[in-house]
Amino acid sequence: EAQVTQNPRYLITVTGKKLTVTCSQNMNHEYMSWYRQDPGLGLRQIYYSMNVEVTDKGDVPEGYKVSRKEKRNFPLILESPSPNQTSLYFCASSFPKTGWGETQYFGPGTRLLVL
Amino acid sequence: AQSVTQLDSHVSVSEGTPVLLRCNYSSSYSPSLFWYVQHPNKGLQLLLKYTSAATLVKGINGFEAEFKKSETSFHLTKPSAHMSDAAEYFCVVSDLNTGGFKTIFGAGTRLFVKA
Repeated sequence: EAQVTQNPRYLITVTGKKLTVTCSQNMNHEYMSWYRQDPGLGLRQIYYSMNVEVTDKGDVPEGYKVSRKEKRNFPLILESPSPNQTSLYFCASSFPKTGWGETQYFGPGTRLLVL
Repeated sequence: AQSVTQLDSHVSVSEGTPVLLRCNYSSSYSPSLFWYVQHPNKGLQLLLKYTSAATLVKGINGFEAEFKKSETSFHLTKPSAHMSDAAEYFCVVSDLNTGGFKTIFGAGTRLFVKA
């Protein structure tokens, strides 16, 4: 089954304790992206990657890191989480054949609480 | 710079009556436009997309949207609301950025459907 998976689905942590949220897709997609969703703000793009070893900042990259060593995986790293990073996080992937008109497929979301 | 404005944070309709969810956008290039739906505690699902073909786009579950370049609008409509349409709807613009494409979500419109 074609899908985007995220782990963990739920996470409670404390300020300053490094964490990684994994994202994996089995559709051989080139493009992957991370978003955070906060009430009243919709989804905001954190980082995206056009292909292996190619990443770029979205609108809210501060406090986050990403890496793209393999096509299928795009982990999100919070080196020193803070309470304002409490949010619902979504990973997405797509295959941009011609540019930017392709549908993005979303993972189920990771709900993060930073105390 | 790209932006997306969903003109209503909440819309309430009666079952069987028309639905109109409004979206305006700004873009520097030739954007692709999408509507996604998010049911409670679920991920995001594509409803429809516009990618410079026909300006009237038909999607799933009877939804459609019309791209109006002169008005920079991409409003979502449905002739007759169903209880199962109650969800949050996001208008999305995807546009070319240096090195790749960025995705901007609107803040969302929550649709309530009354019996």
